[in-house]
Amino acid sequence: NAGVTQTPKFQVLKTGQSMTLQCAQDMNHNSMYWYRQDPGMGLRLIYYSASEGTTDKGEVPNGYNVSRLNKREFSLRLESAAPSQTSVYFCASSATPNTEAFFGQGTRLTVV
Amino acid sequence: GENVEQHPSTLSVQEGDSAVIKCTYSDSASNYFPWYKQELGKRPQLIIDIRSNVGEKKDQRIAVTLNKTAKHFSLHITETQPEDSAVYFCAASAASGGGADGLTFGKGTHLIIQP
Repeated sequence: NAGVTQTPKFQVLKTGQSMTLQCAQDMNHNSMYWYRQDPGMGLRLIYYSASEGTTDKGEVPNGYNVSRLNKREFSLRLESAAPSQTSVYFCASSATPNTEAFFGQGTRLTVV
Repeated sequence: GENVEQHPSTLSVQEGDSAVIKCTYSDSASNYFPWYKQELGKRPQLIIDIRSNVGEKKDQRIAVTLNKTAKHFSLHITETQPEDSAVYFCAASAASGGGADGLTFGKGTHLIIQP
């Protein structure tokens, strides 16, 4: 049972480049989330998806887009990367909103 | 939206002593309060959670208390051990089950266990 799997684990982008972070879960969870983690800032919610076909903005959505491709997969896209998007990105899933959230291993993104 | 404050940002205790981390939240509709532990370079993992219809919950050396009136909740770790060294995050959620609001996290507490 893999849980939540994110790819890639590390990425370096140049300013203005685009990329998509992939996330998949095998726990049949309905809810999926993308967070970013910056030093001293905790984890901040970028976007979430309550179920397949629905997405909503979180606390820090600017500069990002998401797609809930199916129940298993939830991707995060940076259309034009900026240095301020240098961060560690975590995907998470939960069966329902108020139950344990399981996190992926994280993606360390550096924008130069 | 919800705002979660967490204190202290760093806590150093002697091995075997107790550690207490405190959080306050702003949204009175919040009803789910988990605590996550994150070791260096690893993903956050749930260690304990509490819901608004419960005042206290224990799991071995870990306990969480919730005061809904004051809108604060605390993590208590007794008989601390070296493996307790990590960053701990509190979080709050007001999701009622009809939608996924996501968790609002505190900024974290770096717990250091001194041998």
